[in-house]
Formats: sequence, C-alpha cells, structure tokens
Amino acid sequence: QVRLVESGGGVVQPGRSLRLSCAASGFIFSNYAIHWVRQAPGKGLEWLALISSDGSNQYCADSAKGRFTISRDNSKNTLYLQMNSLTAEDTAMYHCGRVRHSSGVMGAFDLWGQGTMVTVSS
Amino acid sequence: DIQMTQSPSTLSASVGDRVSITCRASQSISTWLAWYQQKPGKAPKLLIYKASSLESGVPSRFSGSGSGTEFTLTISSLQPDDFAMYYCQQYNSYSETFGQGTKVEV
Repeated sequence: QVRLVESGGGVVQPGRSLRLSCAASGFIFSNYAIHWVRQAPGKGLEWLALISSDGSNQYCADSAKGRFTISRDNSKNTLYLQMNSLTAEDTAMYHCGRVRHSSGVMGAFDLWGQGTMVTVSS
Repeated sequence: DIQMTQSPSTLSASVGDRVSITCRASQSISTWLAWYQQKPGKAPKLLIYKASSLESGVPSRFSGSGSGTEFTLTISSLQPDDFAMYYCQQYNSYSETFGQGTKVEV
C-alpha cells in the first residue's frame, strides 16, 4: 500500500524542541522529493520545507528558517523535521507530501500523510 | 515569495450547479499550479496539476484552466461529495505557497 505516515507530534512547552517523522511505504522513497506542510487549527495550508530525493537540496519557508531542519534517511524510507525554539504559532497539524513527478524537486503533491498534531503550550 | 489569492472565500451552491473558483498569483507562474480538495479532518487530495491536468481517479466534472497569473477551477455539476475546502498551490518557486482556501457550501 502506497502511503506516508507521520509521527512524533504531541504537546510541548514553548521554547522546546520536537522531531517529526514521516515513514514511507509502497513506493521507491529514494526516487521522490518530499515536502512538509502544516495547517493551524481552522486555518489554511502553509508550505514549510522541501528536500530533494537524494537529500542534497533542502529549502525552508521564511517562517521555518533557522528553527526547522528537514532531512531524510533513504535507507529507512523516512523523512524528518527537526523543530527547535517552538512557539504557540507553531501549533498545527503537520503533513508530509510527495512530489508527483519523481524527477522534480518542486511540484504538486499526489500523496499526503494524515498528519501529526503539534501543540505548543505551557 | 509569490502570493496566491483565491476568490471567493466562501461559495454557496446547490447540487447540480456549475461553480468556479479563481486563484491569482502575484507574479507569473506559467502553468505551475495545482488544485486540492480538503474535507474536515482529512489530508488534502490532489485534483489538478500543471493548471489543467486531471489527476488520475478524479472525476471529469473537475477541470482547471489558466496560465500566467490567473487560474480557475471549475466543477461542471456539483455533487454532494464536492462540498469541501479547495486550495490552489503554486510550485513555480522553491517557496511553494498556497491560496487561503475557498469553502464550497450548501
């Protein structure tokens, strides 16, 4: 079954760190660029970060630069998002998404995970 | 960053109606645009990519058009399953921005 499954969310205090994971199955993970997208409660979609299929290129949104790091381990078919210095504004559902074309870094996302919820609260 | 503006924010319609949602980019993005449908508590679902290409398995009542800075998602005959949120997304630049969303409601 082709899918992405996020994990690692939870309740965390402001200023603390959290690492999210996105486990892939059913397809050749190392062929695809993967992105992180988040959605605050009742709000729209916010693009966060991308990583190329081999992990050599990463790019983050301004809201994530300096605090969030995207990485991947193709031997484990897993994507990561390391989040530091969390604030209440980072409270959201975090989704990973696969770029539709295996040859591209950017693109439409044809496969999404169901998401993992991060709540930043004291 | 490229800004994406959707209109309307909310669209009231009935089953069988033809509905259209517009997405405008703050600068030209060629045809690097996707449309998604999202239902409460679910992940977004890809409907259209490259402005007008229908994703496999998506009903043909969905269509997309446009290029440059103005794009349209059209549902030719609204079905009960189509009441949902819709988002556009540009992928012309590394910062892949989304529109703010359009809610299609009864």
